[in-house]
Amino acid sequence: QQQVKQSPQSLIVQKGGISIINCAYENTAFDYFPWYQQFPGKGPALLIAIRPDVSEKKEGRFTISFNKSAKQFSLHIMDSQPGDSATYFCAASWAGGFKTIFGAGTRLFVKA
Amino acid sequence: KAGVTQTPRYLIKTRGQQVTLSCSPISGHRSVSWYQQTPGQGLQFLFEYFSETQRNKGNFPGRFSGRQFSNSRSEMNVSTLELGDSALYLCASSATSGGGSEQFFGPGTRLTVL
Repeated sequence: QQQVKQSPQSLIVQKGGISIINCAYENTAFDYFPWYQQFPGKGPALLIAIRPDVSEKKEGRFTISFNKSAKQFSLHIMDSQPGDSATYFCAASWAGGFKTIFGAGTRLFVKA
Repeated sequence: KAGVTQTPRYLIKTRGQQVTLSCSPISGHRSVSWYQQTPGQGLQFLFEYFSETQRNKGNFPGRFSGRQFSNSRSEMNVSTLELGDSALYLCASSATSGGGSEQFFGPGTRLTVL
């Protein structure tokens, strides 16, 4: 029940295209849903996060869409660039849970 | 503000040995969480410390332990190393405990067990 399922496992997108990564969860106690970006040899870095009281959050080219009833959330990367090539993790946590659950990760490759 | 620092960055050990990894959180942050990252299992939660108290522990054997000091620096220890312990060990700091808030990750310690 505490799992976060992420898809796809890998993604290849043309430069300028839209990259879409999806996640699903079961635990309705989750109240914080961040996305992390990780480059080889580096630790994950917070990209954008959302709480369940809003259905969408946009920061630059990155947008989170959140569907509370379906218990799903997704990351959209608009105008994808080769520099966006990295591994992306969705995650979920809840106040008082004292831990964060991560999805399995999506390896994104943006072709120039 | 300096980020999360982890030392050492790389470690090579042999089976049966023990290892201690160190993490210094962002100044002012009192929560430190540890994660194990492997290609097969992804990011797995190890434990979280806040104000020197372990608040939660993941599903790892007792060979994995940790502690936090009064200055919020944290260490994790792995005893009787096994080949399967080879992984990237990440620590993350947060201003508050309990989840539901932003975490900042360090670069990790790459542990190789031979």
